[in-house]
Amino acid sequence: NAGVTQTPKFRILKIGQSMTLQCTQDMNHNYMYWYRQDPGMGLKLIYYSVGAGITDKGEVPNGYNVSRSTTEDFPLRLELAAPSQTSVYFCASRVDRPNTEAFFGQGTRLTVV
Amino acid sequence: KQEVTQIPAALSVPEGENLVLNCSFTDSAIYNLQWFRQDPGKGLTSLLLIQSSQREQTSGRLNASLDKSSGRSTLYIAASQPGDSATYLCAFMNYGGSQGNLIFGKGTKLSVKP
Repeated sequence: NAGVTQTPKFRILKIGQSMTLQCTQDMNHNYMYWYRQDPGMGLKLIYYSVGAGITDKGEVPNGYNVSRSTTEDFPLRLELAAPSQTSVYFCASRVDRPNTEAFFGQGTRLTVV
Repeated sequence: KQEVTQIPAALSVPEGENLVLNCSFTDSAIYNLQWFRQDPGKGLTSLLLIQSSQREQTSGRLNASLDKSSGRSTLYIAASQPGDSATYLCAFMNYGGSQGNLIFGKGTKLSVKP
């Protein structure tokens, strides 16, 4: 089972560049999330989606955008990359029922220089 | 603001010891609490999920408990092994502004010495 797949695994960006972090899941989960994890810190929610065509901001959305055109895919777009966006990014998904586990991808380690 | 605190931040034990990792949270109106394991450079692997109506869950050598009234959860690892070395994260789920979002602690980094 593939589960939640993130690409790329690593990326170095220059300040001001843009990129899209890809996330796809094959479990037919309606709920998907993007988190960032800074060193020594807990994960913080960037954006989430409760289904295709529906997205909303989380705790730290500034500098990011998302789209959800299909159930499977939930890409995260970074526009005008800044050093503060250096982090590890995790995508997660779960079914839209209470008390169900969240499944996480392997993460994308992004460095902005 | 909802917060999750994990104590200790780091723990080093000899192989074979039983150990307890602690997690406290400020919001007692939770739906569930989930314990994760994170290996260096890897994603999060779900270990146990405790629903708000439950007191504990067990999986192999792992046992997680939940006390909503005191805002505490513990993860008990029996007979620790070097392969248990990882960072352990707890997170609780609420249905506030962000549907099914998980509020994470900073983790406890466990090292089990052979």
